[in-house]
Amino acid sequence: ILNVEQSPQSLHVQEGDSTNFTCSFPSSNFYALHWYRWETAKSPEALFVMTLNGDEKKKGRISATLNTKEGYSYLYIKGSQPEDSATYLCAFRGTSYGKLTFGQGTILTVHP
Amino acid sequence: DAGVTQSPTHLIKTRGQQVTLRCSPKSGHDTVSWYQQALGQGPQFIFQYYEEEERQRGNFPDRFSGHQFPNYSSELNVNALLLGDSALYLCASSMTGAVNTEAFFGQGTRLTVV
Repeated sequence: ILNVEQSPQSLHVQEGDSTNFTCSFPSSNFYALHWYRWETAKSPEALFVMTLNGDEKKKGRISATLNTKEGYSYLYIKGSQPEDSATYLCAFRGTSYGKLTFGQGTILTVHP
Repeated sequence: DAGVTQSPTHLIKTRGQQVTLRCSPKSGHDTVSWYQQALGQGPQFIFQYYEEEERQRGNFPDRFSGHQFPNYSSELNVNALLLGDSALYLCASSMTGAVNTEAFFGQGTRLTVV
Protein backbone atom coordinates (compact mmCIF):
# COMPACT_ATOMS: atom_id res chain seq x y z
CA ILE A 1 0.00 0.00 0.00
CA LEU A 2 1.37 3.36 -1.06
CA ASN A 3 1.52 5.88 1.78
CA VAL A 4 1.48 9.61 1.10
CA GLU A 5 1.41 11.69 4.27
CA GLN A 6 0.90 15.41 4.68
CA SER A 7 1.54 17.52 7.73
CA PRO A 8 0.18 19.39 9.46
CA GLN A 9 -3.47 18.43 8.95
CA SER A 10 -4.54 22.02 9.47
CA LEU A 11 -2.91 25.36 10.00
CA HIS A 12 -4.17 28.77 11.10
CA VAL A 13 -1.96 31.76 10.33
CA GLN A 14 -2.27 35.53 10.31
CA GLU A 15 -2.22 37.57 7.12
CA GLY A 16 1.38 38.31 6.19
CA ASP A 17 2.83 35.21 7.88
CA SER A 18 4.91 32.81 5.84
CA THR A 19 4.10 29.14 6.15
CA ASN A 20 5.12 25.74 4.88
CA PHE A 21 3.73 22.22 4.71
CA THR A 22 5.28 18.83 4.18
CA CYS A 23 4.41 15.91 1.92
CA SER A 24 6.19 12.59 2.39
CA PHE A 25 5.99 9.77 -0.12
CA PRO A 26 7.74 6.51 -1.07
CA SER A 27 11.24 7.12 -2.41
CA SER A 28 11.09 4.10 -4.75
CA ASN A 29 9.30 3.91 -8.13
CA PHE A 30 8.98 7.69 -8.25
CA TYR A 31 7.84 9.46 -11.40
CA ALA A 32 6.29 12.77 -10.31
CA LEU A 33 4.91 14.69 -7.35
CA HIS A 34 1.93 16.99 -7.86
CA TRP A 35 0.71 19.85 -5.68
CA TYR A 36 -2.89 21.11 -5.87
CA ARG A 37 -4.79 23.92 -4.19
CA TRP A 38 -8.45 23.16 -3.54
CA GLU A 39 -10.88 25.87 -2.57
CA THR A 40 -14.33 24.93 -1.34
CA ALA A 41 -16.88 24.34 -4.13
CA LYS A 42 -14.20 24.62 -6.82
CA SER A 43 -12.03 22.19 -8.79
CA PRO A 44 -8.61 21.29 -7.42
CA GLU A 45 -6.19 23.70 -9.11
CA ALA A 46 -2.83 22.37 -10.27
CA LEU A 47 0.09 24.26 -8.70
CA PHE A 48 3.18 22.25 -9.60
CA VAL A 49 4.35 18.99 -11.19
CA MET A 50 7.78 18.07 -9.92
CA THR A 51 9.86 15.27 -11.38
CA LEU A 52 13.57 15.78 -10.66
CA ASN A 53 15.38 15.43 -7.36
CA GLY A 54 16.31 18.90 -6.18
CA ASP A 55 13.57 20.54 -8.27
CA GLU A 56 12.43 23.93 -7.06
CA LYS A 57 9.36 25.55 -8.58
CA LYS A 58 7.78 28.93 -7.96
CA LYS A 59 4.47 30.57 -8.83
CA GLY A 60 4.08 34.04 -7.36
CA ARG A 61 4.32 33.76 -3.57
CA ILE A 62 4.14 29.97 -3.61
CA SER A 63 7.15 27.73 -4.09
CA ALA A 64 7.93 24.04 -3.70
CA THR A 65 10.99 21.83 -3.34
CA LEU A 66 11.46 18.13 -3.98
CA ASN A 67 13.77 15.50 -2.47
CA THR A 68 13.11 12.13 -4.14
CA LYS A 69 15.95 10.32 -2.37
CA GLU A 70 14.43 10.85 1.06
CA GLY A 71 10.84 11.07 -0.18
CA TYR A 72 9.59 14.52 0.78
CA SER A 73 8.42 17.78 -0.73
CA TYR A 74 7.85 21.15 0.92
CA LEU A 75 5.34 23.78 -0.14
CA TYR A 76 6.04 27.35 0.99
CA ILE A 77 3.72 30.34 0.97
CA LYS A 78 5.36 33.71 1.54
CA GLY A 79 3.27 36.52 3.04
CA SER A 80 0.01 34.55 3.30
CA GLN A 81 -3.19 36.30 2.22
CA PRO A 82 -6.79 35.39 3.12
CA GLU A 83 -7.33 34.24 -0.49
CA ASP A 84 -4.65 31.56 0.10
CA SER A 85 -7.09 29.81 2.45
CA ALA A 86 -7.71 26.39 0.90
CA THR A 87 -6.81 22.72 1.20
CA TYR A 88 -3.40 21.92 -0.23
CA LEU A 89 -3.04 18.42 -1.60
CA CYS A 90 0.04 16.56 -2.74
CA ALA A 91 -0.14 13.48 -4.96
CA PHE A 92 2.47 10.86 -5.88
CA ARG A 93 2.66 9.34 -9.34
CA GLY A 94 4.68 6.19 -10.00
CA THR A 95 4.48 6.02 -13.81
CA SER A 96 4.23 8.50 -16.66
CA TYR A 97 0.46 8.09 -17.05
CA GLY A 98 -0.54 6.35 -13.85
CA LYS A 99 -2.85 7.05 -10.99
CA LEU A 100 -2.30 9.80 -8.47
CA THR A 101 -2.04 8.72 -4.85
CA PHE A 102 -3.08 11.65 -2.67
CA GLY A 103 -2.22 12.67 0.84
CA GLN A 104 -5.08 13.70 3.10
CA GLY A 105 -4.36 17.38 2.59
CA THR A 106 -3.39 20.38 4.71
CA ILE A 107 -6.21 22.83 5.43
CA LEU A 108 -4.81 26.38 5.55
CA THR A 109 -6.81 29.23 7.05
CA VAL A 110 -5.36 32.73 6.79
CA HIS A 111 -6.94 35.23 9.17
CA PRO A 112 -7.09 38.92 8.17
CA ASP B 1 -11.63 26.04 -23.15
CA ALA B 2 -14.27 24.76 -20.74
CA GLY B 3 -11.82 22.58 -18.84
CA VAL B 4 -13.10 19.37 -17.27
CA THR B 5 -16.88 19.31 -16.82
CA GLN B 6 -18.85 16.89 -14.71
CA SER B 7 -22.57 16.26 -14.42
CA PRO B 8 -24.65 16.31 -12.41
CA THR B 9 -23.21 18.46 -9.62
CA HIS B 10 -25.36 16.88 -6.92
CA LEU B 11 -27.33 13.67 -6.75
CA ILE B 12 -29.41 11.90 -4.11
CA LYS B 13 -30.05 8.17 -4.52
CA THR B 14 -31.56 5.41 -2.43
CA ARG B 15 -29.65 2.35 -1.23
CA GLY B 16 -29.70 -0.39 -3.85
CA GLN B 17 -30.18 1.95 -6.77
CA GLN B 18 -27.77 2.50 -9.62
CA VAL B 19 -26.16 5.80 -10.62
CA THR B 20 -24.28 7.15 -13.66
CA LEU B 21 -21.92 10.11 -13.45
CA ARG B 22 -20.53 11.86 -16.51
CA CYS B 23 -17.29 13.61 -17.38
CA SER B 24 -16.08 15.60 -20.37
CA PRO B 25 -12.31 15.99 -20.45
CA LYS B 26 -10.34 19.10 -21.20
CA SER B 27 -9.89 19.72 -24.92
CA GLY B 28 -6.93 17.74 -26.27
CA HIS B 29 -6.89 15.22 -23.41
CA ASP B 30 -7.35 11.52 -24.10
CA THR B 31 -7.19 9.97 -20.63
CA VAL B 32 -9.83 10.12 -17.92
CA SER B 33 -9.40 9.05 -14.30
CA TRP B 34 -12.05 8.86 -11.60
CA TYR B 35 -11.52 9.48 -7.89
CA GLN B 36 -13.71 9.18 -4.80
CA GLN B 37 -13.26 11.63 -1.97
CA ALA B 38 -14.80 10.78 1.37
CA LEU B 39 -15.01 13.40 4.09
CA GLY B 40 -11.66 14.16 5.70
CA GLN B 41 -9.63 12.09 3.25
CA GLY B 42 -7.68 12.72 0.10
CA PRO B 43 -9.18 11.55 -3.22
CA GLN B 44 -8.91 7.77 -3.77
CA PHE B 45 -8.25 6.42 -7.26
CA ILE B 46 -11.09 4.34 -8.74
CA PHE B 47 -9.93 3.67 -12.32
CA GLN B 48 -8.47 5.20 -15.45
CA TYR B 49 -9.67 4.99 -19.05
CA TYR B 50 -7.55 5.36 -22.16
CA GLU B 51 -8.43 4.39 -25.74
CA GLU B 52 -11.88 3.35 -24.51
CA GLU B 53 -10.45 0.71 -22.19
CA GLU B 54 -9.85 0.51 -18.46
CA ARG B 55 -6.09 0.81 -18.13
CA GLN B 56 -5.64 0.88 -14.37
CA ARG B 57 -7.92 0.16 -11.43
CA GLY B 58 -7.79 1.00 -7.75
CA ASN B 59 -9.13 -1.00 -4.84
CA PHE B 60 -12.85 -0.67 -5.57
CA PRO B 61 -15.42 -3.45 -5.97
CA ASP B 62 -16.90 -4.52 -9.29
CA ARG B 63 -20.01 -2.48 -8.48
CA PHE B 64 -17.95 0.42 -9.80
CA SER B 65 -17.64 0.32 -13.57
CA GLY B 66 -16.95 2.80 -16.29
CA HIS B 67 -16.85 3.57 -19.93
CA GLN B 68 -14.99 5.87 -22.27
CA PHE B 69 -16.48 7.03 -25.53
CA PRO B 70 -14.72 7.78 -28.84
CA ASN B 71 -14.83 11.51 -28.04
CA TYR B 72 -12.88 10.71 -24.81
CA SER B 73 -15.77 11.55 -22.49
CA SER B 74 -16.41 9.05 -19.74
CA GLU B 75 -19.06 7.65 -17.43
CA LEU B 76 -18.76 6.17 -13.97
CA ASN B 77 -21.49 3.69 -13.01
CA VAL B 78 -22.12 2.43 -9.50
CA ASN B 79 -24.57 -0.44 -8.97
CA ALA B 80 -26.32 -1.56 -5.78
CA LEU B 81 -25.53 1.67 -3.97
CA LEU B 82 -24.50 1.52 -0.33
CA LEU B 83 -24.63 4.29 2.25
CA GLY B 84 -20.83 4.22 2.24
CA ASP B 85 -20.78 5.25 -1.42
CA SER B 86 -21.81 8.76 -0.37
CA ALA B 87 -18.87 10.93 -1.39
CA LEU B 88 -17.58 13.51 -3.85
CA TYR B 89 -16.65 11.89 -7.16
CA LEU B 90 -13.96 13.69 -9.11
CA CYS B 91 -12.99 13.24 -12.71
CA ALA B 92 -9.51 14.15 -13.94
CA SER B 93 -8.29 14.35 -17.52
CA SER B 94 -4.76 14.23 -18.85
CA MET B 95 -2.83 13.47 -22.01
CA THR B 96 -0.96 10.17 -22.14
CA GLY B 97 2.53 10.62 -23.53
CA ALA B 98 2.88 14.31 -22.72
CA VAL B 99 6.02 15.35 -20.85
CA ASN B 100 5.29 16.17 -17.19
CA THR B 101 1.66 15.39 -17.85
CA GLU B 102 -0.67 17.38 -15.64
CA ALA B 103 -4.05 16.12 -14.47
CA PHE B 104 -6.89 18.63 -14.53
CA PHE B 105 -9.91 18.09 -12.34
CA GLY B 106 -13.59 18.85 -12.61
CA GLN B 107 -15.63 20.28 -9.75
CA GLY B 108 -16.98 16.88 -8.86
CA THR B 109 -20.36 15.24 -8.36
CA ARG B 110 -21.62 15.08 -4.80
CA LEU B 111 -23.46 11.77 -4.37
CA THR B 112 -25.63 11.21 -1.32
CA VAL B 113 -27.05 7.73 -0.72
CA VAL B 114 -29.99 7.57 1.70
